[in-house]
Amino acid sequence: QKEVEQNSGPLSVPEGAIASLNCTYSDRVSQSFFWYRQYSGKSPELIMSIYSNGDKEDGRFTAQLNKASQYVSLLIRDSQPSDSATYLCAAFMKTSYDKVIFGPGTSLSVIP
Amino acid sequence: NAGVTQTPKFRILKIGQSMTLQCTQDMNHNYMYWYRQDPGMGLKLIYYSVGAGITDKGEVPNGYNVSRSTTEDFPLRLELAAPSQTSVYFCASNSALSDMYQETQYFGPGTRLLVL
Repeated sequence: QKEVEQNSGPLSVPEGAIASLNCTYSDRVSQSFFWYRQYSGKSPELIMSIYSNGDKEDGRFTAQLNKASQYVSLLIRDSQPSDSATYLCAAFMKTSYDKVIFGPGTSLSVIP
Repeated sequence: NAGVTQTPKFRILKIGQSMTLQCTQDMNHNYMYWYRQDPGMGLKLIYYSVGAGITDKGEVPNGYNVSRSTTEDFPLRLELAAPSQTSVYFCASNSALSDMYQETQYFGPGTRLLVL
């Protein structure tokens, strides 16, 4: 089992709808999670970080963490065409040294 | 602050050639990382460093080498370029807050490498 997994997509939603992105992680992974957005040809940029069970909201974005079920999700409300990008889930993993493991990413397309 | 800078932005190599990808950060971060991203794929960790003089392998280290002589610089060396190393390379850095939590990673703009 890979340490961080995501649905590869592509996920298509109409403008104004809610986009739901999911990520699961193995039990070796630590408890800090991040969502990055990556536009084509650009470097990843952080959208949200979440450390505790429950929801964390920032504008149109809501991250949800469920440690018992080992999943983290990202909801994008009122989706805009500018949200079209690849969304990377990442987890802070403790081994002999700390490191961050990335999932394969989910491609999101918001249709005007 | 310039953040994380990478050079070059783009390079074409012939099979068997060598090159060094440069990465510099001016945020005094201890942690630095090299990732590669193949088309349509996520990021794969090549090497990382938790401080000057300390490096360790990631998921895909074969064909690469790194060094960390200063806090600011973390160069990635390709000794014998192969077509399989055609990819986009990202350098990133962060500072850890505590044992449990990890601060966000800051990414450089990337180096696009083509090996022919």
